[in-house]
Amino acid sequence: ETGVTQTPRHLVMGMTNKKSLKCEQHLGHNAMYWYKQSAKKPLELMFVYNFKEQTENNSVPSRFSPECPNSSHLFLHLHTLQPEDSALYLCASSQGGGGDEQFFGPGTRLTVL
Amino acid sequence: AQSVTQLDSQVPVFEEAPVELRCNYSSSVSVYLFWYVQYPNQGLQLLLKYLSGSTLVKGINGFEAEFNKSQTSFHLRKPSVHISDTAEYFCAVDTGRRALTFGSGTRLQVQP
Repeated sequence: ETGVTQTPRHLVMGMTNKKSLKCEQHLGHNAMYWYKQSAKKPLELMFVYNFKEQTENNSVPSRFSPECPNSSHLFLHLHTLQPEDSALYLCASSQGGGGDEQFFGPGTRLTVL
Repeated sequence: AQSVTQLDSQVPVFEEAPVELRCNYSSSVSVYLFWYVQYPNQGLQLLLKYLSGSTLVKGINGFEAEFNKSQTSFHLRKPSVHISDTAEYFCAVDTGRRALTFGSGTRLQVQP
């Protein structure tokens, strides 16, 4: 595998379910990111991790819980989501310096029923 | 805080015609500027970026962009588009916080 991979690619869940999204980067990067992409809205940064430490939480509701066990893996744990949380969730990684290119995964299309 | 405005949500253009996708930003500090492209059912891919130096930046697939500090703009151009350029294009800024602020995107639709 190369680049940034995300699993699953598609996920349908009920509002009472608990699920997790997984992201893995094979680029040796130090920073990882979660973005939310909703229809007709700009990409929204959710979380930033640098060397496994969370450096940014962009006022994300607590029903989204990130986890970064090492620099190569990033998870987003989901519980008691709302229908408005349905979106494409994109993971990215970078070297972590200002101006560094972010490499994006293909995303997980989440539908909350 | 910084913000990015992409003035056109959709740009229809005929194949082999030139195109310009507009991007304006606001920031109280120096910024790094990016253009990303997103093809259907895929993540974002970097087209080009401006960090410093020459204000004309060349990217992949024949795209280029010009940084204009006085107008706080970073418009994307291509002299002749192909059907395969049909995609969503995003302008983004980074103030050095390692986080990108994106515009709302411009859907480029190339017609035969």
